[in-house]
Amino acid sequence: DQQVKQNSPSLSVQEGRISILNCDYTNSMFDYFLWYKKYPAEGPTFLISISSIKDKNEDGRFTVFLNKSAKHLSLHIVPSQPGDSAVYFCAASAAGAQKLVFGQGTRLTINP
Amino acid sequence: DADVTQTPRNRITKTGKRIMLECSQTKGHDRMYWYRQDPGLGLRLIYYSFDVKDINKGEISDGYSVSRQAQAKFSLSLESAIPNQTALYFCATSDRRDRRGSYEQYFGPGTRLTVT
Repeated sequence: DQQVKQNSPSLSVQEGRISILNCDYTNSMFDYFLWYKKYPAEGPTFLISISSIKDKNEDGRFTVFLNKSAKHLSLHIVPSQPGDSAVYFCAASAAGAQKLVFGQGTRLTINP
Repeated sequence: DADVTQTPRNRITKTGKRIMLECSQTKGHDRMYWYRQDPGLGLRLIYYSFDVKDINKGEISDGYSVSRQAQAKFSLSLESAIPNQTALYFCATSDRRDRRGSYEQYFGPGTRLTVT
């Protein structure tokens, strides 16, 4: 049973426009959510996170939104740049579980 | 130098062979994890360890074993490799002192394993 789902395997966006990546979860015990970015031949790297006590967290061009009632979070990248082309993983953790559950990933391609 | 290193980076082996993947970290973290990545399935947890004497199974531990030789070293073994264990394997670490409780993890560069 996939507790964290990224239903879009790929997304293509024009440079300068907004990229929106989505993630849904089923476990109501999740209280912290993270986005990771992965380039080919490298390990995933942390991008941005949000606690369940917030509904928005912003860091430069990256903003994560959390809708707890819908069990949905999204990552907005504005403006999108060619260097943003990568695979993005959504992850979640439950209080006390001390481990992350990852989604399947979305491959983002930014076109010049 | 990289904080989390994995050896080998690439490995091709035959069905039935025993193989060990090694992970070392200089971050001083006490928690270490092994994941595998498969297309369309994301990252799935194989084993994790919160200290040298604490080893826990993840969601897909069958066919794998681990050894935590020291705080900085965590090895993953495939006792008898099979083709469906062909995947990208990642080691990760996290710090129990993470005050945010986010369990942010730091990943190594990965090992690409092919079992023929």
